Amino acid sequence: AQTVTQSQPEMSVQEAETVTLSCTYDTSESDYYLFWYKQPPSRQMILVIRQEAYKQQNATENRFSVNFQKAAKSFSLKISDSQLGDAAMYFCAYRKAAGNKLTFGGGTRVLVKP
Amino acid sequence: DTAVSQTPKYLVTQMGNDKSIKCEQNLGHDTMYWYKQDSKKFLKIMFSYNNKELIINETVPNRFSPKSPDKAHLNLHINSLELGDSAVYFCASSRRGATDTQYFGPGTRLTVL
Repeated sequence: AQTVTQSQPEMSVQEAETVTLSCTYDTSESDYYLFWYKQPPSRQMILVIRQEAYKQQNATENRFSVNFQKAAKSFSLKISDSQLGDAAMYFCAYRKAAGNKLTFGGGTRVLVKP
Repeated sequence: DTAVSQTPKYLVTQMGNDKSIKCEQNLGHDTMYWYKQDSKKFLKIMFSYNNKELIINETVPNRFSPKSPDKAHLNLHINSLELGDSAVYFCASSRRGATDTQYFGPGTRLTVL
């Protein structure tokens, strides 16, 4: 069974600084997708970024970028120029290419200090 | 316009009661899901329907029964509610296919007293 691990329960960052969230996963599949979702206090789950395992290039969305290391089964999220609105729980998630089920990590809470 | 909507947003009820949570998506997606987020924020899939057909059924008690009247709706009915059912329940939807991303509803916070 696939597992997703986020080893940092909480991270704190100064506004305008950069923070990196860790995620590792375990799978025997060669083709899959990885996601980062943000959950602010409003509870809404918002897709931040998505990475296809067959792509070597790391995905980027504005201030959010990932470092995808397939051999190491690592998928970290970097938030650059952190803003107060980035404060939220961040969840890493995995999905087999041929499947529908998202498997989530335990989440990392990001605190942004003004 | 809301893409994935759930009603109600909050639900407080007594143990033993039966309750339903409704979900609707206007994205034209074929596949819908129910996830449960427990008090420790851990998210886990419960069910998935594709075009009204059940395709994922994780080890969920029989008291939980999803119902999909059409591909835009997926409701969750819970019988004989227990304290441990207190959680946030999220509905999500996606296209079926290799590139589908799941889009989530706002969640329903269920509190069983």
